[in-house]
Amino acid sequence: AQSVAQPEDQVNVAEGNPLTVKCTYSVSGNPYLFWYVQYPNRGLQFLLKYITGDNLVKGSYGFEAEFNKSQTSFHLKKPSALVSDSALYFCAVRAYDKIIFGKGTRLHILP
Amino acid sequence: EAGVVQSPRYKIIEKKQPVAFWCNPISGHNTLYWYLQNLGQGPELLIRYENEEAVDDSQLPKDRFSAERLKGVDSTLKIQPAELGDSAVYLCASSGVGNTIYFGEGSWLTVV
Repeated sequence: AQSVAQPEDQVNVAEGNPLTVKCTYSVSGNPYLFWYVQYPNRGLQFLLKYITGDNLVKGSYGFEAEFNKSQTSFHLKKPSALVSDSALYFCAVRAYDKIIFGKGTRLHILP
Repeated sequence: EAGVVQSPRYKIIEKKQPVAFWCNPISGHNTLYWYLQNLGQGPELLIRYENEEAVDDSQLPKDRFSAERLKGVDSTLKIQPAELGDSAVYLCASSGVGNTIYFGEGSWLTVV
């Protein structure tokens, strides 16, 4: 069965520092991997996805993610955090017709 | 291009009352999803449509929940009767070619 794990409930980062939000997955077959962001009282907004090709994927708002097949990970990164990046982040994996979301990681950027 | 549109955004009802949520997907998207999101949790699939056919409704509590997607475009999710535990956000989403799922702003339900 496929699954996705976000091991950190919350991540705190000082503004201007690099940030990483972790995601690992388990799926049979080739995975499609996604990151979404959710601001308070809003729906989920698509950030980026990995389908195939280059392991480093660039997305919206300066975010990027690195697909690592051997470690079954798809960590979200940003070189320099902004206070406005504070939000809830979800990793998702799609295999065949099933799409599963992680439980989310709350990112706090400290001014 | 308009995104996924949901209404109402917020709804407060008493337990045992019915409630309905409406969704209009992105134009041209054949796949439509209804997700349930509890506070601080990730979305959980309730039902997925391919055009007008419900192809995955295994997680839909069919004793009180129902959904329809007539003509393969708009969709309605209904709860009757609502229970206190149904208080959550109901997210509609759609996807087309390219595998990316796009979400609406959600319908926030409070059952009192």
